[in-house]
Amino acid sequence: NAGVTQTPKFRVLKTGQSMTLLCAQDMNHEYMYWYRQDPGMGLRLIHYSVGEGTTAKGEVPDGYNVSRLKKQNFLLGLESAAPSQTSVYFCASSYRVDNSPLHFGNGTRLTVT
Amino acid sequence: EDQVTQSPEALRLQEGESSSLNCSYTVSGLRGLFWYRQDPGKGPEFLFTLYSAGEEKEKERLKATLTKKESFLHITAPKPEDSATYLCAVRVRSNDYKLSFGAGTTVTVRA
Repeated sequence: NAGVTQTPKFRVLKTGQSMTLLCAQDMNHEYMYWYRQDPGMGLRLIHYSVGEGTTAKGEVPDGYNVSRLKKQNFLLGLESAAPSQTSVYFCASSYRVDNSPLHFGNGTRLTVT
Repeated sequence: EDQVTQSPEALRLQEGESSSLNCSYTVSGLRGLFWYRQDPGKGPEFLFTLYSAGEEKEKERLKATLTKKESFLHITAPKPEDSATYLCAVRVRSNDYKLSFGAGTTVTVRA
C-alpha cells in the first residue's frame, strides 16, 4: 500500500516550457488535491477534484490545468512555465466524508529558470 | 478572509524541555482544525482533528487543544525525533473541500 505517489521528485524547467506532474493514490479516495508550498507561506490549493472526470479551481489556479480521467490519478499541467511557479508541489487525497483528513504525497520540487 | 497564523515560526528545545505551539484563526464557521507534522523533504502527515472548543486529543508526547480563537499543540518531554515542522489547518464550511494552512512552526529538539 503505497498511499499517494508523486512523480517526478525533482524537475528543472526553462521559462516557457511545459510539463505534467503525476499523482497516483491506491486508497480508493474520491477527492484529490494539488497544493503548492512556498517558504514562509502556508500550503495553497491550486485545483481539486471530487471524483473521476471532475475538476475545480482552488485559490491559486492561474497558469495550471488539471485532469482526472481515472479515479486513482490526478495530473497537474503547466503549459508555459514562469519563474513564479518555482515551488514544491504536493498532491493529496481524502475520503468523501466531512472532515476526512488529507493524505499527502512527498512532493515535487520544481525550479523554473 | 479566513486567516490562520502560527507562532512562533521556529522553536529550539532541549530534550525533555516541554513547550507549546500556537495556531490562531480568524474564520467564520469553523468545521474542523487539523494538525499535521512535516519532515524535511516529505509531505505533511496527519496528526489530529479537533471539532469544537474544549476538545483535546493526545498522541504520545503531543497533545492538541482547541478554544474558540486558537489551538495549542503541547509537546511534553520532547525527544530529538520530535523535530519537524508542525502545520495547522482549518476547514470552515461543510462540504467545502479547501483546507486553509498556516505557515508552520519548525521545532528542533537537541539531545
